[in-house]
Amino acid sequence: KAGVTQTPRYLIKTRGQQVTLSCSPISGHRSVSWYQQTPGQGLQFLFEYFSETQRNKGNFPGRFSGRQFSNSRSEMNVSTLELGDSALYLCASSFDPGVETQYFGPGTRLLVL
Amino acid sequence: ELKVEQNPLFLSMQEGKNYTIYCNYSTTSDRLYWYRQDPGKSLESLFVLLSNGAVKQEGRLMASLDTKARLSTLHITAAVHDLSATYFCAVDINYGGSQGNLIFGKGTKLSVKP
Repeated sequence: KAGVTQTPRYLIKTRGQQVTLSCSPISGHRSVSWYQQTPGQGLQFLFEYFSETQRNKGNFPGRFSGRQFSNSRSEMNVSTLELGDSALYLCASSFDPGVETQYFGPGTRLLVL
Repeated sequence: ELKVEQNPLFLSMQEGKNYTIYCNYSTTSDRLYWYRQDPGKSLESLFVLLSNGAVKQEGRLMASLDTKARLSTLHITAAVHDLSATYFCAVDINYGGSQGNLIFGKGTKLSVKP
């Protein structure tokens, strides 16, 4: 079956703009997690959604938000972009994150100028 | 605060040699994951370790988990060039009730040279 898909794959924005990233999980998976990867901070957890509810949120400012739809697709939004938001944003899905691994999408590479 | 420490962070190996990557974590957890990342690519799941004493092997890689010592190891046997990548361990922060929140180590960049 198809893997996790993310769109867009690449994005260039300027400071102050906002951006919306999309993630479609593997069919049947209800849990979607988002991570930010940067050379300096590594991989950091942003938030996790399960059945349209945000269950957990990482230590990121309120400019970072997300949501999940009834079909388990998820979006994350970053408002008032800063240079430091340049990163690879990875989405991961799982049927049950407690007993199996999370499957990662290809990521969206965001560059903020 | 849960911390996950990997060492070494950089590893240059010769083909055919054995080596071990270590992953220490600072708080109770019984779920540990190993991932591989190739340059410019996403994360590929290697192993899921769900209990104390768990050992899993795939090809030249073997992972183990000691929850009492809060330590996982990834052992590489007879390394080949194709194993060159960055390896991450990750711990589930929600012990006893996972909510898909993984804390990652900084990764071990492995380079296997002929």
